[in-house]
Amino acid sequence: NAGVTQTPKFQVLKTGQSMTLQCAQDMNHEYMSWYRQDPGMGLRLIHYSVGAGITDQGEVPNGYNVSRSTTEDFPLRLLSAAPSQTSVYFCASRTGVGANVLTFGAGSRLTVL
Amino acid sequence: GQQLNQSPQSMFIQEGEDVSMNCTSSSIFNTWLWYKQDPGEGPVLLIALYKAGELTSNGRLTAQFGITRKDSFLNISASIPSDVGIYFCAGPPSSGTYKYIFGTGTRLKVLA
Repeated sequence: NAGVTQTPKFQVLKTGQSMTLQCAQDMNHEYMSWYRQDPGMGLRLIHYSVGAGITDQGEVPNGYNVSRSTTEDFPLRLLSAAPSQTSVYFCASRTGVGANVLTFGAGSRLTVL
Repeated sequence: GQQLNQSPQSMFIQEGEDVSMNCTSSSIFNTWLWYKQDPGEGPVLLIALYKAGELTSNGRLTAQFGITRKDSFLNISASIPSDVGIYFCAGPPSSGTYKYIFGTGTRLKVLA
């Protein structure tokens, strides 16, 4: 049981480049979410999904796109990277109704030059 | 956006000492979660609290769900070097089950 798997672990981009951060979970969790972590800011919610085909915005969604075509995967897309998107990104999931505990991946560190 | 007020922001303690940290919000929470994050890793759940007034322990860690549902506390007894890390409180406010909010973290450093 791998839990929540994020790839890549590290990535360096140039301003304007696009990329996708991958997140996969093998726990059959309905809810999946993406956070970014910046120094002194804690974790801030970017987007979340409550099931395949359903996504919604979090606190800081601008510059990011998501889709949820399967229960297992929830990729985060940066269409045109900006230096302000330099951060550590975490994917987290949980089961559906009645369970509020989030399980996190190990994170993806992104640097935009 | 809303964030949880977590204090202290950082602390140095001697090995063997007890540690207390707290988290406060202007909104009511249904659930309080306490996580620990080691360098280069994702947050790992320490304790989950589901009822106002609830007191729950996990080894040397004890957490409490405040009676007002707007605060929570985490205590670590007899700290050891591996307690070093960042501790976060978190939860879904009662107004929205899906949008979790996190505290800014308490960075703990233990001096041997």
